[in-house]
Amino acid sequence: DIQMTQSPSSLSASVGDRVTITCRASQSISSHLNWYQQNPGKAPELLIYAASSLQSGVPSRFSGSGSGTDFTLTISSLQPEDFATYYCQQTYSTITFGQGTRLEIK
Amino acid sequence: EVQLVESGGGLVQPGGSLRLSCAASGFTFNTFWMYWVRQAPGKGLVWVSRINSDGSSTTYADSVKGRFTISRDNAKNTLYLQMNSLRAEDTAVYYCARTPLLGTIYYFDYWGQGTLVTVSS
Repeated sequence: DIQMTQSPSSLSASVGDRVTITCRASQSISSHLNWYQQNPGKAPELLIYAASSLQSGVPSRFSGSGSGTDFTLTISSLQPEDFATYYCQQTYSTITFGQGTRLEIK
Repeated sequence: EVQLVESGGGLVQPGGSLRLSCAASGFTFNTFWMYWVRQAPGKGLVWVSRINSDGSSTTYADSVKGRFTISRDNAKNTLYLQMNSLRAEDTAVYYCARTPLLGTIYYFDYWGQGTLVTVSS
């Protein structure tokens, strides 16, 4: 299976900050990379698919980039509702997720 | 409005069985591949199983192969997960999710709210 490694595992930031989360695949996955946001006790929600395509209804402050093995999720200006856990997911082969990045308020 | 509503979770003893259901509405169910994903308490997301749109093709994670069976009833717009020989490590919230297919690109655009399965004596 393809291993997905996110960094950092946790992150403290303030409202208005620019934040970047990275996801590295153990082998090339082309652009078969998605990003999800999960709030406590809730189901994950799709933010970005195919590495850089913004899901309908997701605020434009979220963006994704990368291809091959290295990917990033960027939040340009953190809002209070963005403090959550973020997961990357590869769908190039048997689906695997990153271990998650917990974004906390500083 | 797209809705996925899971049910069937609960407390079961090790070695027992449980059947989860996922009722779909608001979209043409029989045109979407469907998935089960689980999340152990305080842990990350793990893919469990997948079924294609007409139910003719299924795949499973190694951890559940031979114990879990995914199926669907397109007439009832419902996805199922039959779980047998349950183990403590199967304890998790189980989510169903749908996948729109754009060529080889796919992702989970809608998820259910999840149903908790607890395996304990």
